[in-house]
Amino acid sequence: EDQVTQSPEALRLQEGESSSLNCSYTVSGLRGLFWYRQDPGKGPEFLFTLYSAGEEKEKERLKATLTKKESFLHITAPKPEDSATYLCAVRDPHSGTYKYIFGTGTRLKVLA
Amino acid sequence: EPEVTQTPSHQVTQMGQEVILRCVPISNHLYFYWYRQILGQKVEFLVSFYNNEISEKSEIFDDQFSVERPDGSNFTLKIRSTKLEDSAMYFCASSAGRAVNSPLHFGNGTRLTVT
Repeated sequence: EDQVTQSPEALRLQEGESSSLNCSYTVSGLRGLFWYRQDPGKGPEFLFTLYSAGEEKEKERLKATLTKKESFLHITAPKPEDSATYLCAVRDPHSGTYKYIFGTGTRLKVLA
Repeated sequence: EPEVTQTPSHQVTQMGQEVILRCVPISNHLYFYWYRQILGQKVEFLVSFYNNEISEKSEIFDDQFSVERPDGSNFTLKIRSTKLEDSAMYFCASSAGRAVNSPLHFGNGTRLTVT
């Protein structure tokens, strides 16, 4: 069964304390892995697309990496405004459209 | 930056009533989607829409649900007879294409509460 698992479920960091979030996936033929940020009561906000193992993308304090089985979202020197839920999704390999399979997310809290 | 807009932000309805959730996708996008998120659970796919017809739907999207693009800008989700278990955040999304480099862009959702 195609699925996406994220860990940890929740993470509390002090401002400036770097860490990584994990997204493990089992799909029969990856057709894109996506990271989104979701603030409370809001929709997912697109961050990155990763296509193939070894690829890396960066945006400000965030860096996403991809292997054949998992992706990491590295947060360097986080600030309180980085507090959010970070969602990982893969494109359903059996779908002809953009049917995403989402993970349950990691709730990040950065303390000042 | 262009964005997907959804109205209303919050809808309260009684069980058995019909609701229509509205979305304005990004103007040059061609593919439209509805997803939902029950409180504390994963975001899950409902339906995709392209060229004025449904491309794909999930098992959740039964006969009580329908989608429509009534004009060149709006995209709607109708729930004919709401149930308590329909209470969720409903997200509209759009993409420019189906290629991997055309990610989904989501609106801020409509929180549907069925009482």
